[in-house]
Amino acid sequence: NAGVMQNPRHLVRRRGQEARLRCSPMKGHSHVYWYRQLPEEGLKFMVYLQKENIIDESGMPKERFSAEFPKEGPSILRIQQVVRGDSAAYFCASSSGQGSYNEQFFGPGTRLTVL
Amino acid sequence: AQRVTQPEKLLSVFKGAPVELKCNYSYSGSPELFWYVQYSRQRLQLLLRHISRESIKGFTADLNKGETSFHLKKPFAQEEDSAMYYCALRSSGGYQKVTFGTGTKLQVIP
Repeated sequence: NAGVMQNPRHLVRRRGQEARLRCSPMKGHSHVYWYRQLPEEGLKFMVYLQKENIIDESGMPKERFSAEFPKEGPSILRIQQVVRGDSAAYFCASSSGQGSYNEQFFGPGTRLTVL
Repeated sequence: AQRVTQPEKLLSVFKGAPVELKCNYSYSGSPELFWYVQYSRQRLQLLLRHISRESIKGFTADLNKGETSFHLKKPFAQEEDSAMYYCALRSSGGYQKVTFGTGTKLQVIP
């Protein structure tokens, strides 16, 4: 089991471009969580998805950010018209479900740099 | 609202010295508390959870509901303990959202 995969590991975009970050959960996991880590700050929850459903997007900025987790394929975090303030590390985690013993396993992160 | 506070951004200790990484939380219900660790160039991984009451790599953490704290302790620090440590809280209601603290960087000086 390769664990949670994220790609790309590093992404450079110019202001105004779009950024697409991918997350493949661990085999057998149907729950995906996205977190953002700004420089000098901790992990901030963004969105929680199950297959084809957004369960909680309370941490997502209202504009320019969207997330999906289709029936087939990885979860995608999409940032439109990126700005310098979007530069951060974006981490994905997956779990097999909810409940006390359903641990979240983390991916290596995608480091987004906006020029 | 749930909140996790880690007051120290950086903690430097000498090898062999005791370590205590502080974590305080705010939550109205009955929380689950965790410590995650991120070693250099590695992904975040679960270190321990309060519900298991276990010791991992010599680290322990006790949930103190009166002081709303979940400090991480180790009696004798080792160089390989140098890493970022995150305290996290999972709510007991709803879908059990996890909230992370800002992290403490532990630096063990040889």
